[in-house]
Amino acid sequence: GEDVEQSLFLSVREGDSSVINCTYTDSSSTYLYWYKQEPGAGLQLLTYIFSNMDMKQDQRLTVLLNKKDKHLSLRIADTQTGDSAIYFCAETPMDSSYKLIFGSGTRLLVRP
Amino acid sequence: GAVVSQHPSRVICKSGTSVKIECRSLDFQATTMFWYRQFPKKSLMLMATSNEGSKATYEQGVEKDKFLINHASLTLSTLTVTSAHPEDSSFYICSARDIRGTRSNTGELFFGEGSRLTVL
Repeated sequence: GEDVEQSLFLSVREGDSSVINCTYTDSSSTYLYWYKQEPGAGLQLLTYIFSNMDMKQDQRLTVLLNKKDKHLSLRIADTQTGDSAIYFCAETPMDSSYKLIFGSGTRLLVRP
Repeated sequence: GAVVSQHPSRVICKSGTSVKIECRSLDFQATTMFWYRQFPKKSLMLMATSNEGSKATYEQGVEKDKFLINHASLTLSTLTVTSAHPEDSSFYICSARDIRGTRSNTGELFFGEGSRLTVL
């Protein structure tokens, strides 16, 4: 079956790097995503990675994908208080290119 | 600006009434839209896939007679929670995929801002 797991909470100091981890079970996933949700708001796509890539960098964001271990991570460099939010990883299963399976979300708290 | 709009953003209703939530893609066409439900401090659960011009596809465990979905045009899908009960109180989020790449080159999934339903 399809399952995506994340740790629930992460606290970092402003200026430090944050690393949010995600594991998934569907080895046939095509795309993997990171979404950000601010309080009371919808989801904002931060970045995505295609399953044949190992790494993707986009400004302060670095996504690492370990297909063998089915592990995805999001690194936020120089974390700011505005980065405080819930971060969801999500996958698109091979059998349904329109579906997204979400993890439970990691609440990131950035301390001044 | 927002490319997927949901309305209303907040709604409070009495138990037993029905509530309609709209999801609109503002500047692209979406033959497929998705409805998610988010429980407090939990992930998003895909409820159903809304297909323009045909019946919605519901995920296992989601009552199709309870959560009516209509996708009458390429830019509008509606979710109606019928005979709402307090346990239906939740945050409902829709999304739409820009399959023609009007707004993005990746077929990105754009999310609405969500609708918070409170059933008294």
